Amino acid sequence: DSGVTQTPKHLITATGQRVTLRCSPRSGDLSVYWYQQSLDQGLQFLIQYYNGEERAKGNILERFSAQQFPDLHSELNLSSLELGDSALYFCASSEGQGSSYSPLHFGNGTRLTVT
Amino acid sequence: GENVEQHPSTLSVQEGDSAVIKCTYSDSASNYFPWYKQELGKGPQLIIDIRSNVGEKKDQRIAVTLNKTAKHFSLHITETQPEDSAVYFCAASYYNDMRFGAGTRLTVKP
Repeated sequence: DSGVTQTPKHLITATGQRVTLRCSPRSGDLSVYWYQQSLDQGLQFLIQYYNGEERAKGNILERFSAQQFPDLHSELNLSSLELGDSALYFCASSEGQGSSYSPLHFGNGTRLTVT
Repeated sequence: GENVEQHPSTLSVQEGDSAVIKCTYSDSASNYFPWYKQELGKGPQLIIDIRSNVGEKKDQRIAVTLNKTAKHFSLHITETQPEDSAVYFCAASYYNDMRFGAGTRLTVKP
């Protein structure tokens, strides 16, 4: 068990809808990362937060947004959903501001299906 | 930005054989190289990592080597077992930026 909790595990919704994915990092970790993994694809970095502030941005669509709250949990909001947004969404956390020598610890993901 | 290439994309070995997965990176500033194992229905799990000031690291049946000059690093699994079957990801990192390879699907045949 990595200590990173993601909810819900599965989400099925229709095109055009909006969903919120939630992540609780490992105790003591200040950084939260979001990744998207499409079927049989690699891990695409979306965004990183450190102690409530956005620190790095990857290939995140404008329809997607995220935030990290004072208690360090994070939410990823996906809106105007399209079929192509169907994927596994992973949250990961690490100790420090950067990932210099700090490994990422991944949750078990949220599987989003857009119909 | 950093670009990590991983080969092969699929690898099939007989139980007991060795498996080698290779990665190359582009950014010479990268200084941390973790390897992750992803089993079906689970998130990637860290199995071994190496820092740029170390050339080799071993943990039981798993070892990682790093050649900074050539900018490539490799994962070696000896005496493979069926439970080693999974997708393996390499990554290269420099502070805020961790980039992953595309993954290698390893199948160990009993």
